[in-house]
Amino acid sequence: QKEVEQDPGPLSVPEGAIVSLNCTYSNSAFQYFMWYRQYSRKGPELLMYTYSSGNKEDGRFTAQVDKSSKYISLFIRDSQPSDSATYLCAMNKAAGNKLTFGGGTRVLVKP
Amino acid sequence: EPEVTQTPSHQVTQMGQEVILRCVPISNHLYFYWYRQILGQKVEFLVSFYNNEISEKSEIFDDQFSVERPDGSNFTLKIRSTKLEDSAMYFCASSGTGLGNSPLHFGNGTRLTVT
Repeated sequence: QKEVEQDPGPLSVPEGAIVSLNCTYSNSAFQYFMWYRQYSRKGPELLMYTYSSGNKEDGRFTAQVDKSSKYISLFIRDSQPSDSATYLCAMNKAAGNKLTFGGGTRVLVKP
Repeated sequence: EPEVTQTPSHQVTQMGQEVILRCVPISNHLYFYWYRQILGQKVEFLVSFYNNEISEKSEIFDDQFSVERPDGSNFTLKIRSTKLEDSAMYFCASSGTGLGNSPLHFGNGTRLTVT
């Protein structure tokens, strides 16, 4: 079983729709969870950073962590064509520790 | 907003040559990392560096690789004798205090092409 699994997509939605992304993981030692956005040929850009189970909201983005199910989600409200990118989940066991990435989900928001 | 900068953006080299990839991490960060991404594949951890020494490295980071923080601002990755399979995007990252609120911030990468 892979440590972090993420559906590769592509996920195609109309502009204004809610984008729902998720990752599952197998290692219960993961404590910190991140979502990154990556445009083609660019570096991962940090969107959300969470610790422990629960919800965190920042503008149009909401991150959810359910440690009991080993499942994390990212929701993007009122999606825009500029949100078209690959979204990567990543997690680590402790601050300063290496990140383990999912394979990324490609999202396409159509005008 | 402070950012991680990497140079060059693209490096082409011949097999067997040495390359040095350069990074300037965010100035008050304490942890530094190199990751790589082969085209179409996952972002993979190579090495982490803290307090002037390697704190963790992956199986990929063999004797052909080395890292250095030559001064207070730069962080470099050296590949001694490049192979075709080293062709990838190499990302530098840094993180802050290491006390919990320290997500990694990435640069835009150096695309390394080995011919």
